[in-house]
Amino acid sequence: EDKVVQSPLSLVVHEGDTVTLNCSYEVTNFRSLLWYKQEKKAPTFLFMLTSSGIEKKSGRLSSILDKKELSSILNITATQTGDSAIYLCAAYMNRDDKIIFGKGTRLHILP
Amino acid sequence: GAVVSQHPSWVICKSGTSVKIECRSLDFQATTMFWYRQFPKQSLMLMATSNEGSKATYEQGVEKDKFLINHASLTLSTLTVTSAHPEDSSFYICSASWYNEQFFGPGTRLTVL
Repeated sequence: EDKVVQSPLSLVVHEGDTVTLNCSYEVTNFRSLLWYKQEKKAPTFLFMLTSSGIEKKSGRLSSILDKKELSSILNITATQTGDSAIYLCAAYMNRDDKIIFGKGTRLHILP
Repeated sequence: GAVVSQHPSWVICKSGTSVKIECRSLDFQATTMFWYRQFPKQSLMLMATSNEGSKATYEQGVEKDKFLINHASLTLSTLTVTSAHPEDSSFYICSASWYNEQFFGPGTRLTVL
């Protein structure tokens, strides 16, 4: 059965801290690993990772994929209260273009 | 960038009625669209894959007679929740594939009284 597992499920830190969110996957026909941020509405796209070991960065966020370990991490440095959200990891599959989501990590940044 | 819209953004209905949710790709053609459901404090769960001009493919455990999907054109897919019950209350999100990326609609919040 295809699955995506995220940890931790929830995290509370203080503003300015650095956080690392974890994602592991077991899927057939893996194409790429996706990270999304979800606040009140639909998820917004953060990163798509297809190649192992290549870090992608966007401001204070960065992510990397390890295809050998079937995992990915999302780092957020110098966190701000606006980073409070649910971060979703998903495996994008070649078969039928499907995406399987993990349960998400609920991140709360304290001022 | 590719934009996907959904209509309505929220709907409240009585138990036993049917509700139709539309998903449109505004500036691209999508042969495949996907429907997800998200219950409070849970992740998105794929319900079905909607293919233009053919029958939808439903995930295990999703009742195809209850959740009717029609993908009549390359820019429109509809999800009809038939005989809705309070347990169908959820956030329904669609997405569309375009150039190997998935673009999500803003979601529709359904509340069944």
